[in-house]
Amino acid sequence: RKEVEQDPGPFNVPEGATVAFNCTYSNSASQSFFWYRQDCRKEPKLLMSVYSSGNEDGRFTAQLNRASQYISLLIRDSKLSDSATYLCVVNNAGKSTFGDGTTLTVKP
Amino acid sequence: DTGVSQDPRHKITKRGQNVTFRCDPISEHNRLYWYRQTLGQGPEFLTYFQNEAQLEKSRLLSDRFSAERPKGSFSTLEIQRTEQGDSAMYLCASSPPGDYGYTFGSGTRLTVV
Repeated sequence: RKEVEQDPGPFNVPEGATVAFNCTYSNSASQSFFWYRQDCRKEPKLLMSVYSSGNEDGRFTAQLNRASQYISLLIRDSKLSDSATYLCVVNNAGKSTFGDGTTLTVKP
Repeated sequence: DTGVSQDPRHKITKRGQNVTFRCDPISEHNRLYWYRQTLGQGPEFLTYFQNEAQLEKSRLLSDRFSAERPKGSFSTLEIQRTEQGDSAMYLCASSPPGDYGYTFGSGTRLTVV
């Protein structure tokens, strides 16, 4: 079993839709959590950190449930430019472990 | 530009040859990481440094892989006797002290033929 698991998708949604991704992790000692975005053939870029209290950045909302060991990302009012692969990341003792990503395609 | 720089961007090499990649992190970042990524997979941890000290190396790495960060600034990753299975994107990232996410470089795409 992988340490960080994500549904690979693809998720195909129309513009304006709301879409949610989930991620589960196995190491209960994990200390911090992130979502990254990766465009095709580009490097991953940090999207946002994830906190137990939930955090929001514009149309993006991230949530952490430590008891169930899962992380979520909600995207509201999807834009064409949101099309990318979203990587769930779990950090422990300074080292980050990446999921294999969930691919999102937003269509006109 | 003060981002993470990697060189070269692309490398094609024959099986059995040695290759070396360079990474220049963001200057204020004391942590430097090497990851490898293949198509359809997330980045896979290889090793990381805090300043010049190599703190962890993946058990997945064979003895053919070595990394250095001699003065706590730039880092090099060397692969000896390359194999076709080494073909991948090699990503370098850096982060400041504390619990922050990474800034990645554009990567070095290695093709072993």
